[in-house]
Amino acid sequence: QVQLVQSGAEVKKPGASVKVSCKASGYTFTSYGISWVRQAPGQGLEWMGWISAYNGNTNYAQKLQGRVTMTTDTSTSTAYMELRSLRSDDTAVYYCARAGGGALPLNWGQGTLVTVSS
Amino acid sequence: QSALTQPASVSGSPGQSITISCTGTSSDVGSYNLVSWYQQHPGKAPKLMIYEGSKRPSGVSNRFSGSKSGNTASLTISGLQAEDEADYYCCSYAGSSFVVFGGGTKLTVL
Repeated sequence: QVQLVQSGAEVKKPGASVKVSCKASGYTFTSYGISWVRQAPGQGLEWMGWISAYNGNTNYAQKLQGRVTMTTDTSTSTAYMELRSLRSDDTAVYYCARAGGGALPLNWGQGTLVTVSS
Repeated sequence: QSALTQPASVSGSPGQSITISCTGTSSDVGSYNLVSWYQQHPGKAPKLMIYEGSKRPSGVSNRFSGSKSGNTASLTISGLQAEDEADYYCCSYAGSSFVVFGGGTKLTVL
């Protein structure tokens, strides 16, 4: 069965960076993309961007352009999302998801809580 | 890209049917048959309920159905059950590998 297992919770100071990992199993990693979605406390879902696991092509949400980088390691079927220059409003649960047509999420990871606090 | 518009809340009694709307534009919902719906219980990750507008993943009850008319997609849940109480989000492809979510709808089963 498809599984995406994410790295553990992080606490960061404003201005720092965070890198979240997402290890995929149960499917051919390079046949699908990975979308990243975040959810601030008590808020809705926000799409952050998408990466093709086949060729590494990326597309990022406009509001995160310049602060986010998504990468993959096909040798370990793992995707990564790095967010830099963290602010308090980046505090959220970050999800990775296997992406189907149109980069829409199919199967979701369990989520990683990132807390930004001084 | 602007968020898709969903009602903040809907409610229904057990056994009834409810419909959640998701209004976008001709640049997203209206242009592509790539709309998904997700169910999210408190503290849990979202779960895919409908993809490509009206398709159900394996294991999802046939009480859940999706449709689209123009710039508006809809999720219908028939035979409401207590366990359906959750937040529901729509999501649409918006071209050029961009994706947009709705603001979410809280479903209360009375």
